[in-house]
Amino acid sequence: QGQLVESGGGVVQPGRSLRLSCAASGFIFSIYGMHWVRQAPGKGLEWVALIWYDGSNKYYIDSAKGRFTISRDNSKNTLYLQMDSLRAEDTAVYYCARGGRYTLSSSYMDVWGKGTTVTVSS
Amino acid sequence: DIQMTQSPSTLSASVGDRVTITCRASQSISSWLAWYQQRPGKAPKLLIYKASSLESGVPSRFSGSGSGTEFTLTISSLQPDDFATYYCQQYNSFPYTFGQGTKLEIK
Repeated sequence: QGQLVESGGGVVQPGRSLRLSCAASGFIFSIYGMHWVRQAPGKGLEWVALIWYDGSNKYYIDSAKGRFTISRDNSKNTLYLQMDSLRAEDTAVYYCARGGRYTLSSSYMDVWGKGTTVTVSS
Repeated sequence: DIQMTQSPSTLSASVGDRVTITCRASQSISSWLAWYQQRPGKAPKLLIYKASSLESGVPSRFSGSGSGTEFTLTISSLQPDDFATYYCQQYNSFPYTFGQGTKLEIK
């Protein structure tokens, strides 16, 4: 079925940067689209970004455009989220999740990591 | 953006009850809808995709229906493990959006 393990979270000051990683195992990472989804404390789920299986297409929520960059290294089975110009409202648990295969990359999320916590505070 | 609205926000029920959660989309999403379960402190878990397809390994007491703008998740006979928060999510168009969640509580 597969496993996803996020890392890279922490406490960061507003305006600073952070890079999250998501290590995949137990499935062929290079054929799946991958998502980032976040959840602010006590709030619901919010989709953040998607990258296609080959990195050819990327999609973002409006609040992330121009600040966050999703990327992947299929040779390392790893997904990334580079987050710049962080704001207090970016404080959340960030989950990576698996999407669909190949050109069905833009799909629902069937495998989820346990999440990594990002706190933006001065 | 497509808005997803779930009702109710909170639902109190007992073990063995049949419960239904509704999700409405602000515009048609065909059948591009998923349902997730989230227990406190845990990652979400996929239950249903394409509105009515049961994810492998998910008990058959869970079922989904609907198309267009109105969808339902039904649990036929509540078990103790089912008390959690449920989210619908549309994947018809970007940005993907979730409902606000329905918290299923023990009566």
